[in-house]
Amino acid sequence: GAVVSQHPSWVICKSGTSVKIECRSLDFQATTMFWYRQFPKQSLMLMATSNEGSKATYEQGVEKDKFLINHASLTLSTLTVTSAHPEDSSFYICSASSGTGFGGETQYFGPGTRLLVL
Amino acid sequence: DQQVKQNSPSLSVQEGRISILNCDYTNSMFDYFLWYKKYPAEGPTFLISISSIKDKNEDGRFTVFLNKSAKHLSLHIVPSQPGDSAVYFCAASAVRYFNQFYFGTGTSLTVIP
Repeated sequence: GAVVSQHPSWVICKSGTSVKIECRSLDFQATTMFWYRQFPKQSLMLMATSNEGSKATYEQGVEKDKFLINHASLTLSTLTVTSAHPEDSSFYICSASSGTGFGGETQYFGPGTRLLVL
Repeated sequence: DQQVKQNSPSLSVQEGRISILNCDYTNSMFDYFLWYKKYPAEGPTFLISISSIKDKNEDGRFTVFLNKSAKHLSLHIVPSQPGDSAVYFCAASAVRYFNQFYFGTGTSLTVIP
């Protein structure tokens, strides 16, 4: 079955530094990748949708200059949290789809990256 | 390889009947299981969870059953309502894996009025 990996699995950083999280589809080409952030009660909030080779589409309220998303290839998308602050501490999860993801195609989720900003 | 599997990509149920969504896992180290509900163009919403020390957890119309020996969990929705139509994901985690989530591929539930 399709596998999506994330790296790193957890990261601790100082306030003000930038952190890059990678999301890779290991055995299929991901036309679309999604980035989520986990909120209390464990629901996942969609942050942005990225399509290979084009700019990401951010959800309302998500700062595009703070959360930089690059989907440079069909197997890799990166999320960079720039100038991270303690309120950015959270669990970030990516998912990948071989279609648009919204048309009912299966989304494969990564295991998540836990970020702690001190 | 997928450690959490939902082998039924879709399910249709008549309104008022019971919906049963199934999930299998391969890693016996998992100790916490969750079900999420997802509408199109939205992020998954947490629905119900169960820890490995229990075999049943109930919340209103939703009940999750865990069979550790079979490495199987199921979500029962009764009675099913049209608003329950969504994609349901199961997920598993373990303390030893820093509580990373391993998601199934989802089951699309359609409740027919």
